[in-house]
Amino acid sequence: ELKVEQNPLFLSMQEGKNYTIYCNYSTTSDRLYWYRQDPGKSLESLFVLLSNGAVKQEGRLMASLDTKARLSTLHITAAVHDLSATYFCAVVRPQGGSEKLVFGKGMKLTVNP
Amino acid sequence: DTGVSQDPRHKITKRGQNVTFRCDPISEHNRLYWYRQTLGQGPEFLTYFQNEAQLEKSRLLSDRFSAERPKGSFSTLEIQRTEQGDSAMYLCASSSWASSYNSPLHFGNGTRLTVT
Repeated sequence: ELKVEQNPLFLSMQEGKNYTIYCNYSTTSDRLYWYRQDPGKSLESLFVLLSNGAVKQEGRLMASLDTKARLSTLHITAAVHDLSATYFCAVVRPQGGSEKLVFGKGMKLTVNP
Repeated sequence: DTGVSQDPRHKITKRGQNVTFRCDPISEHNRLYWYRQTLGQGPEFLTYFQNEAQLEKSRLLSDRFSAERPKGSFSTLEIQRTEQGDSAMYLCASSSWASSYNSPLHFGNGTRLTVT
């Protein structure tokens, strides 16, 4: 059974600081997604990572994928308050034809002024 | 692209009652998904459709749950004989089969169900 673990689950950081959060998954998969969720809102797509070594950047966020280690990282650069949200990673279950996304529990980020 | 639309936004019901939720996907998307999210957890997969065909169902989807997508456009999720454990946010998402490999799922704002 595919399991997705995020680390840490809660993070409080100050504006201007950098930090990296981690997403591990238990079995081979060919797609990994990062989503953001604000309180009471739906999920907003951030990144789709498809191959080993993939790196994508958007603003202060950069995501990477190491399929051999079954690990994705989300790096936050010079955090700002607007980045406060819950961040989820999700992996496609690796069975033929399945489109089931398995999500981690999410990492709640609070950026303090 | 008007986004994925879900109705209602909130539903409060008494235990034992039946409820039905509706999802309208992005118009050109032929894949539609239902997920359930409880407080402090990530979304859990319930089921997905490609056009009108229900291709995959989770073991979470007990006999009390049924989903339909009769014409391959909107979908409904019905919960019969609701239980307090059904209280959650029910999220709908859609994607296009043609671009699903490298495109994310687009989620709606969800229906929050409270069973009293």
